[in-house]
Amino acid sequence: GQQLNQSPQSMFIQEGEDVSMNCTSSSIFNTWLWYKQDPGEGPVLLIALYKAGELTSNGRLTAQFGITRKDSFLNISASIPSDVGIYFCAGQLGNYGQNFVFGPGTRLSVLP
Amino acid sequence: GAGVSQSPSNKVTEKGKDVELRCDPISGHTALYWYRQSLGQGLEFLIYFQGNSAPDKSGLPSDRFSAERTGGSVSTLTIQRTQQEDSAVYLCASSLDVRGKRGANVLTFGAGSRLTVL
Repeated sequence: GQQLNQSPQSMFIQEGEDVSMNCTSSSIFNTWLWYKQDPGEGPVLLIALYKAGELTSNGRLTAQFGITRKDSFLNISASIPSDVGIYFCAGQLGNYGQNFVFGPGTRLSVLP
Repeated sequence: GAGVSQSPSNKVTEKGKDVELRCDPISGHTALYWYRQSLGQGLEFLIYFQGNSAPDKSGLPSDRFSAERTGGSVSTLTIQRTQQEDSAVYLCASSLDVRGKRGANVLTFGAGSRLTVL
């Protein structure tokens, strides 16, 4: 079945540092979503990507849809303590009528 | 409603008992998904409902798991004869899922139902 890999699995950074994480697959996807999950909460959407090569920003967050359609990355600039959480990527083969496959997540810890 | 509502938020049960978890999606959302998240793990797809189409049940781990969606809105996930390995957070999500509309497939999640099987 379709699987997504995320790296790194976890990371510890200092407040103010930039963060980079990525998501790869052996399958092609036509939609990539990035979510953040805080403890005890459901995942919350950060960025949605729909076109190969697309680069989208949301405040300090930037994500790109890989040209091969098999990968995506998420960057966070100038990290702050509230960036702590688990970041998930999700891929959908089409953009309608199909389930999403989620990666295992990247756990981010920010040290003051 | 304004968001996806799940109940109960926490459920503790004894091994062998049946449990029902409820999801109330965003009004007007035609697609509804159930995912399972074990402690410290990613999201495991369970089942997907889209309108009146037959649900995609390919993620259900065993025949002890079933789900239904009544009237295209509220969904119930039922786990029969619960086992300790069923302990997890069960997340429900919904989306507008309209063909050809950018952004319509984005999932909105509920806060989850945490199930503990003793």
